Amino acid sequence: SYVLTQPPSESVAPGQTATITCAGDNIEGYVVHWYQQKPAQAPQLVVSDDSDRPSGIPDRFSGSNSGNTATLTISSVQAGDEADYYCQVWDSNDEHSVFGPGTKLTVL
Amino acid sequence: EAKLVESGAGLVQPGGSLKLACEASGITVSSYWMNWVRQSPGKGLQWVATIRPDAREEYYADSVQGRFTMSRDNSKKSVFLEMKSLRSEDTGVYFCARGTGDVVGPLTHWGQGTLVTVSS
Repeated sequence: SYVLTQPPSESVAPGQTATITCAGDNIEGYVVHWYQQKPAQAPQLVVSDDSDRPSGIPDRFSGSNSGNTATLTISSVQAGDEADYYCQVWDSNDEHSVFGPGTKLTVL
Repeated sequence: EAKLVESGAGLVQPGGSLKLACEASGITVSSYWMNWVRQSPGKGLQWVATIRPDAREEYYADSVQGRFTMSRDNSKKSVFLEMKSLRSEDTGVYFCARGTGDVVGPLTHWGQGTLVTVSS
């Protein structure tokens, strides 16, 4: 089964840029989506289809996907961006959806 | 307002059964892939099951295959998850999520979740 790997945590100062990675074997061949989850809330889609931004998501959120790594970038980080972030793909080989283990973003 | 509302939460003994429901309001679901995703206490998101818009096929995580059954009733804008032979490791918050018209698409709308506790 397909496995996604994320760093457990990232820390960034307000106003700086946060980079959260999602690694998988030839992940560029998959369509990657990113979700933000704040405590006691449901997840929210922040980047879809590798690099698209859903309506209402600030343009500070962007995504890319190349080789074996997909990346979520959050520029000009704010305190309100502190959350868990998950990557997700659909594996057509196994017909399974796969989530990464999540990265806890701390705003210092 | 677009909403997905899950119901069916409960405490059940190991080996028992439970059926969850998810009803949509303010959004259509009949043309979309629908999903169940769970989250054990303090843990990450885990995909559970996905069903085609026409309900002709469902897909399941290995950990629930053969024990869980996902279904839908498009006329009622609802999806269901019937869970049998429950184990302690099935404990968690179960989220209903709407996908897109393509199985590889993102989960665009999420419910607030319903808590399932499996314990004696």
